[in-house]
Amino acid sequence: GESVGLHLPTLSVQEGDNSIINCAYSNSASDYFIWYKQESGKGPQFIIDIRSNMDKRQGQRVTVLLNKTVKHLSLQIAATQPGDSAVYFCAENAGFGNEKLTFGTGTRLTIIP
Amino acid sequence: ETGVTQSPTHLIKTRGQQVTLRCSSQSGHNTVSWYQQALGQGPQFIFQYYREEENGRGNFPPRFSGLQFPNYSSELNVNALELDDSALYLCASSTEANNEQFFGPGTRLTVL
Repeated sequence: GESVGLHLPTLSVQEGDNSIINCAYSNSASDYFIWYKQESGKGPQFIIDIRSNMDKRQGQRVTVLLNKTVKHLSLQIAATQPGDSAVYFCAENAGFGNEKLTFGTGTRLTIIP
Repeated sequence: ETGVTQSPTHLIKTRGQQVTLRCSSQSGHNTVSWYQQALGQGPQFIFQYYREEENGRGNFPPRFSGLQFPNYSSELNVNALELDDSALYLCASSTEANNEQFFGPGTRLTVL
């Protein structure tokens, strides 16, 4: 069945360093992938997305890499700040158009001042 | 802020009761998706509504039902509450032209 999993449940990074959060997915039919950030007491916040016809996409301080060969997704956050501390989820969409997102269990990122 | 609002913020119910959760979508969005997020887990898709019709459903029993209104706001109804229904219930709005889903802050449901 479909599953989206993360390699590491927790990650601690020194402020100012770069962080990398990894995610494995199993549904080769997925064509859209998203990274969300969830702070305590809040709903998931969209960070960046990527479609299956791309292997890299950059945003402000964030980069998503997609390796379809090994079904692997990663989120790179540059020059981490205390406000980056949160749980990060990868999600995939394998439906037509706008159907369900399948989320992983999340990685808790802690930025050490 | 995403512009997606949910009410109530918190709710406590007992087993067997029924609950209705509400969601107002972002302006211009005609699609609402509902997710259940258990503590320490990722959100699980319950169902989606597009222009007042159910448009996809996850692995949830029929006692989870929903509605979408002409103004695209939505309700999630859960009958015969069970202890395992305790979770954060999230709604997300979007348009058919864009996969990006904007999440509300969620409703924390506790079933005792």
